[in-house]
Amino acid sequence: GAVVSQHPSWVICKSGTSVKIECRSLDFQATTMFWYRQFPKQSLMLMATSNEGSKATYEQGVEKDKFLINHASLTLSTLTVTSAHPEDSSFYICSARDPLAGLSYEQFFGPGTRLTVL
Amino acid sequence: ILNVEQSPQSLHVQEGDSTNFTCSFPSSNFYALHWYRWETAKSPEALFVMTLNGDEKKKGRISATLNTKEGYSYLYIKGSQPEDSATYLCAFSKSSGDKLTFGTGTRLAVRP
Repeated sequence: GAVVSQHPSWVICKSGTSVKIECRSLDFQATTMFWYRQFPKQSLMLMATSNEGSKATYEQGVEKDKFLINHASLTLSTLTVTSAHPEDSSFYICSARDPLAGLSYEQFFGPGTRLTVL
Repeated sequence: ILNVEQSPQSLHVQEGDSTNFTCSFPSSNFYALHWYRWETAKSPEALFVMTLNGDEKKKGRISATLNTKEGYSYLYIKGSQPEDSATYLCAFSKSSGDKLTFGTGTRLAVRP
């Protein structure tokens, strides 16, 4: 149980275009999902917390107009990188929390998406 | 600023060796310490979540200890196998619903 999928696993796009990444909880309902980003040789850094049916909460320094997050259902959250630039090239990974799990604060991760902006 | 540090950054061991890694974290406002195992091209897999000072948890050949007063956790692998090769991440949270702050991980390579 507690499987999270992410799509696509990798994407290459041109500078100025927008890219959408999907995060799905496959066998549980996730009221809260998290989006992280990892640059080379750095740790996973939280970008935003996504709550179903409400606006996402962004971490300091993360532009909410550039990284659009939608959590319209209990099993799907999307991250859209708008007007992507080469400096947005990174590894993006989502996680989801199962409120009904024994350890409700445990986070289950997707496999991540490698974004390369040319 | 929360600082979670892991050491060593990388480790190469021979099959059968036992090894351990360290995770240090802020000791104030502690709620939980998480250990994840992350193989290339896969999702990070939760190994342990520990909340109480003195906690010790075990899963097969892998075990972990927690010292919340001094702010560190150890992860031990007994008799390392090639399939243990992965990056081991620790993460700290201040409250049950709070974000995870990750370390940079320890990359383990086990030679057959």
